[in-house]
Amino acid sequence: EIVLTQSPDFQSVTPKEKVTITCRASQSIGSSLHWYQQKPDQSPKLLIKYASQSISGVPSRFSGSGSGTDFTLTINSLEAEDAATYYCHQSSSLPRYTFGQGTKLEIK
Amino acid sequence: EVQLLESGGGLVQPGGSLRLSCAASGFTFSSYAMSWVRQAPGKGLEWVSAISGSGGSTYYADSVKGRFTISRDNSKNTLYLQMNSLRAEDTAVYYCAKWVRPYYDSSGYYVYWGQGTLVTVSS
Repeated sequence: EIVLTQSPDFQSVTPKEKVTITCRASQSIGSSLHWYQQKPDQSPKLLIKYASQSISGVPSRFSGSGSGTDFTLTINSLEAEDAATYYCHQSSSLPRYTFGQGTKLEIK
Repeated sequence: EVQLLESGGGLVQPGGSLRLSCAASGFTFSSYAMSWVRQAPGKGLEWVSAISGSGGSTYYADSVKGRFTISRDNSKNTLYLQMNSLRAEDTAVYYCAKWVRPYYDSSGYYVYWGQGTLVTVSS
């Protein structure tokens, strides 16, 4: 099973700050890495697909990068509405497509 | 507009059974693989099971294999999860999620999630 490890687990940030969340895979997964945002008491929502491809309707301040084993989600100019838990997800190893443990962002 | 509406959750005793349903609308249901993903209280996301668009291929996490059965009725646009021999560790919100393609294949992703239904296993 491919293990995804996110860092940090928790981050408290101020509005307009730039945020970087990393996701490391236990083995190479190419670009089969996707990011989801889960706001409190809501279901997850797709943010980024294939490591760096944007999703229609998602604000442009969200971007992704990486390939192989190391990936990054970047939020430029953080807004209050970005308070959420962010998960990475790999779809390289059928059928056990695993998730990272999540990174909780708190807005100060 | 895509809608996924889960139902069937509730309180059940250990060893009991429950059947979850997910009613889909706003897209051609049979053209997409579907999954169940769960989230224990205060915890992260855990994939449970998946099924191809035709229903011909099914997949299970080791933690539920032999106890849970995924199925779909494409004539009713509904996904199901039959859960037997429930354990306390099965307590979670269960989400149905739409895959990007008809087959639950490599390099896909979840394009849409339902709001979830809570299953509590306790005596």
